[in-house]
Amino acid sequence: DVKVTQSSRYLVKRTGEKVFLECVQDMDHENMFWYRQDPGLGLRLIYFSYDVKMKEKGDIPEGYSVSREKKERFSLILESASTNQTSMYLCASSGMYGGQGNTNYGYTFGSGTRLTVV
Amino acid sequence: QKEVEQNSGPLSVPEGAIASLNCTYSDRVSQSFFWYRQYSGKSPELIMSIYSNGDKEDGRFTAQLNKASQYVSLLIRDSQPSDSATYLCAVRNTNAGKSTFGDGTTLTVKP
Repeated sequence: DVKVTQSSRYLVKRTGEKVFLECVQDMDHENMFWYRQDPGLGLRLIYFSYDVKMKEKGDIPEGYSVSREKKERFSLILESASTNQTSMYLCASSGMYGGQGNTNYGYTFGSGTRLTVV
Repeated sequence: QKEVEQNSGPLSVPEGAIASLNCTYSDRVSQSFFWYRQYSGKSPELIMSIYSNGDKEDGRFTAQLNKASQYVSLLIRDSQPSDSATYLCAVRNTNAGKSTFGDGTTLTVKP
């Protein structure tokens, strides 16, 4: 019954490493998102994608990049991990807006990846 | 001013009471509104969506939307200890394609 799968639940990486976080959804959703969640700061959008090979910067894109080569997969890349990127990373997906009766427009979240950079 | 503001918690109610969670938003063109529940250590889960003014009921949950006042609320009737969680309000502008989340209100239902 799992619909949005994040590849790792816990991850520990060293400063300067290149880190890949993978997200796969099986709901044929067009939209995919990467957020980070930190205590006291809430959910902050890093990047999102509304189509294959398309990407849009969110509120905090610095230090991150993304890749969407297939509709079902959206990857977040930390080019050179730093300790301030220690966080819970949440992937989400949604369908397109289809009017007020749309039942597919809210987000389905993955279970999250808790990344620690040491 | 934050784009989405929720009443500061934590909120504590006795079992069986009505819990009222409130949210205001600043973007007048927002068209879609959502409530998510997040248990401690878990990811958020969509529980309600509302798109037009008025009330929308789903079991013990009622979402209320007033676009003129830029206000959306969530009522939980007959609150249960299992409702204890952080509730996130989210607002989505269809043109922008993304949701903006409030910081959440933590609800505790005491037996």
